[in-house]
Amino acid sequence: GQNIDQPTEMTATEGAIVQINCTYQTSGFNGLFWYQQHAGEAPTFLSYNVLDGLEEKGRFSSFLSRSKGYSYLLLKELQMKDSASYLCAPMDSNYQLIWGAGTKLIIKP
Amino acid sequence: TAGITQAPTSQILAAGRSMTLRCTQDMRHNAMYWYRQDLGLGLRLIHYSNTAGTTGKGEVPDGYSVSRANTDDFPLTLASAVPSQTSVYFCASSDSELAGINEQFFGPGTRLTVL
Repeated sequence: GQNIDQPTEMTATEGAIVQINCTYQTSGFNGLFWYQQHAGEAPTFLSYNVLDGLEEKGRFSSFLSRSKGYSYLLLKELQMKDSASYLCAPMDSNYQLIWGAGTKLIIKP
Repeated sequence: TAGITQAPTSQILAAGRSMTLRCTQDMRHNAMYWYRQDLGLGLRLIHYSNTAGTTGKGEVPDGYSVSRANTDDFPLTLASAVPSQTSVYFCASSDSELAGINEQFFGPGTRLTVL
């Protein structure tokens, strides 16, 4: 079966760094997406990894290890507006996204 | 551009009634999707359409139907609503024919309560 595992909730301090981990098992693999979702809003695209390694985009970076079925999202210089849920979504062999339940990130001043 | 819109924003519906959730995109994306999102669960795919005139079943299609008469519109119909269909419904679209990153763009969602 297909399965996504990510922590339910994390807390971090404004200005700090946080790493959100995601492990996955899918039928085939065509890349992995990270989305951000603020409470009561729609998910918005953050990053996409299809090859192993680190992709950096401003304060956000995403890492992928296909052999380990593992990805993480790294958020630096945390701001209060980063308080949101972060959704890990690998794409399976049918090019469908398989969504994790998301990690709720709480930023404290 | 508006991107992707959904209507209504929210709705309270009596069990047994039918309802159509509307979704329209102006990005000329070929692929469209309907998801439901419930507390503690990931987004679950209800139905999808890879191109106008075709549709497919997702993970949780029972009780729902869709049509794709043209590129822009992808309505979702609940023929006879049940309380377990209380959820937030998101419509999304992507340009899956474009090489490279094919991220999905989401509408603002419809919050449906079935009593």
